Amino acid sequence: DTAVSQTPKYLVTQMGNDKSIKCEQNLGHDTMYWYKQDSKKFLKIMFSYNNKELIINETVPNRFSPKSPDKAHLNLHINSLELGDSAVYFCASSGTGVTGELFFGEGSRLTVL
Amino acid sequence: GQNIDQPTEMTATEGAIVQINCTYQTSGFNGLFWYQQHAGEAPTFLSYNVLDGLEEKGRFSSFLSRSKGYSYLLLKELQMKDSASYLCAVIVRSNYQLIWGAGTKLIIKP
Repeated sequence: DTAVSQTPKYLVTQMGNDKSIKCEQNLGHDTMYWYKQDSKKFLKIMFSYNNKELIINETVPNRFSPKSPDKAHLNLHINSLELGDSAVYFCASSGTGVTGELFFGEGSRLTVL
Repeated sequence: GQNIDQPTEMTATEGAIVQINCTYQTSGFNGLFWYQQHAGEAPTFLSYNVLDGLEEKGRFSSFLSRSKGYSYLLLKELQMKDSASYLCAVIVRSNYQLIWGAGTKLIIKP
């Protein structure tokens, strides 16, 4: 009964390729997020969707495009991958409980060679 | 700008007590969170403070002083499994945007 699941967990690819990471939550939450955690361990928010609508879009290259087909899914597509995109990408969701309490997926470790 | 500071790394002994500090300077404040993150895993929620004072939850307690922009996480009766990074995060807007510290890596020694 995984709450927030994302696939793939590991992704190794060449510079210039396009890749996608998928995320699904079965918690009934309205809000979903994509975070990037780099080698220095900072968690940086990239996008947030509430009921399929984009509500947070931080300064992220437009090579990154999120898509939310429904409120239980938030996918991340990355075009023309660069070395600096190597990081762990976490999907998360939050509901109407403790304000801001996030439930994270296990992370997708992207390595760009 | 938004800024959250925590020590990069701390070491403590099994069975002891450790306090991890967090100071913040943010535009607005709607609460402070502590998350635990084991190496290679996702962060998991530990505590939430929105009013001044101490919140206790088992071996873990979290304290907040809004006037000082300061919080700490107190871990008692340390166990080896407490070795992890502890992330402080402040919610600054009602649309759930969290500002994160870089985390404090806690190393527990026998």
